Amino acid sequence: DGGITQSPKYLFRKEGQNVTLSCEQNLNHDAMYWYRQDPGQGLRLIYYSQIVNDFQKGDIAEGYSVSREKKESFPLTVTSAQKNPTAFYLCASSLPGGERGNTIYFGEGSWLTVV
Amino acid sequence: AQSVTQLGSHVSVSEGALVLLRCNYSSSVPPYLFWYVQYPNQGLQLLLKYTTGATLVKGINGFEAEFKKSETSFHLTKPSAHMSDAAEYFCAVSEWGNEKLTFGTGTRLTIIP
Repeated sequence: DGGITQSPKYLFRKEGQNVTLSCEQNLNHDAMYWYRQDPGQGLRLIYYSQIVNDFQKGDIAEGYSVSREKKESFPLTVTSAQKNPTAFYLCASSLPGGERGNTIYFGEGSWLTVV
Repeated sequence: AQSVTQLGSHVSVSEGALVLLRCNYSSSVPPYLFWYVQYPNQGLQLLLKYTTGATLVKGINGFEAEFKKSETSFHLTKPSAHMSDAAEYFCAVSEWGNEKLTFGTGTRLTIIP
């Protein structure tokens, strides 16, 4: 079945460690996104990518990094510079970027907890 | 800049009663508007969206929303609530390309048996 797969579902990070969240899609979508969700704050855009080998910062990119080496994959690294990383992270994708009104499809999310 | 305001972080309705979730937006250009639903520990699923044309939009699971430009609103309604409707609902606006999809803070809907 086509869809967006995020892994792992639950991840624990120690202080000072970098962790990488995986996102793979088989929908043949060009655009991919990472959102962070905190209770009562809705979803905030971390990074997005419209094509392979290109990506842009969203509203809260500090302390995060991404790569887009393949169309299907858009991994997110949460670095030690992110001081409050505990959150629910959602990966998403959509049809060719820039076309208004295209539906954004979401993965099932990954919980990251700092221990 | 675009923004979305969802009035009421928590809404409770009785089973069978009308569901009304409020969303107001701010946009400098004609907006595209979306409603998404999120069940616990899951991703978001699109309920419906308004792009152009008819201002009353029908979505999945019996939900609909009406775009009212004069009121800058896009409220979500369902005539008769079902227990399975209990979830969190997000309104979102796109002003320039979908990479700038801005979400509201969400409304948690509780259904009372």
